[in-house]
Amino acid sequence: EPEVTQTPSHQVTQMGQEVILRCVPISNHLYFYWYRQILGQKVEFLVSFYNNEISEKSEIFDDQFSVERPDGSNFTLKIRSTKLEDSAMYFCARIGQGNYGYTFGSGTRLTVV
Amino acid sequence: GNSVTQMEGPVTLSEEAFLTINCTYTATGYPSLFWYVQYPGEGLQLLLKATKADDKGSNKGFEATYRKETTSFHLEKGSVQVSDSAVYFCALRTTNRDDKIIFGKGTRLHILP
Repeated sequence: EPEVTQTPSHQVTQMGQEVILRCVPISNHLYFYWYRQILGQKVEFLVSFYNNEISEKSEIFDDQFSVERPDGSNFTLKIRSTKLEDSAMYFCARIGQGNYGYTFGSGTRLTVV
Repeated sequence: GNSVTQMEGPVTLSEEAFLTINCTYTATGYPSLFWYVQYPGEGLQLLLKATKADDKGSNKGFEATYRKETTSFHLEKGSVQVSDSAVYFCALRTTNRDDKIIFGKGTRLHILP
C-alpha cells in the first residue's frame, strides 16, 4: 500500500475552472509539501504545511492557490481559476523515515485546456 | 541561497556501461543530499541519501559519496541496465526541520540494449 496516495491520477480541466487535488498521507505526520513538475522540467517547490498552517510558500504559490487539511487526513491543493501554464504534475510529499528525505505520492497530472 | 546543479541530459549509454551523473550543490550549513529517480509515467522515488560528509549512499547498484570539500554528490553505477532508464534528480535539504527539499533540473538517462 502506497504511503502517500494522490487522487486523481490525471485531471483535465478547462481554463478558468477550479480544481482540487487530493493527497492522503499516513496520519500522525505534521509536515506536508506540494511540488509541481512542468513536463520535462525541474521539480519546483510550491508550499509547505505544518500543523495545519502554511509554513513556507514559493513565488509560484500566488492567490490562485490554497491548501487545506479539511478533515485531519486528506490534504488538498486548490487552484481557483486554472491557467494553461498550470498544466503540470503535482506531487504531494511528507517527511520520510529518519526525518531526512521526503516520501512522495505518485502525482496528479493536471492538463488545462 | 541553496541550490543544486547537475549535468545536462539526456545521457545515452549502452547496457553494462559505467555511469556517472555529476551533481554539485551550494548550501548554508550541512545539508542532507539525495538522489531521486523518476521512471517513465511514475512519481519520485528516493534512490539513495547521505546525511553527512564522507557518507556513501547506495541502493540498487547505484552509489554516491558526500564530498564536502568539492560540494559534490556524483551518482555512479558500474554496469547499467535497460531498466535504469529514467530521470535522475539530485536534491538537498538543510538540517532545519522545516526546510524544503531543493531539486536539480534532472538528468534523463537512456540505456540502449
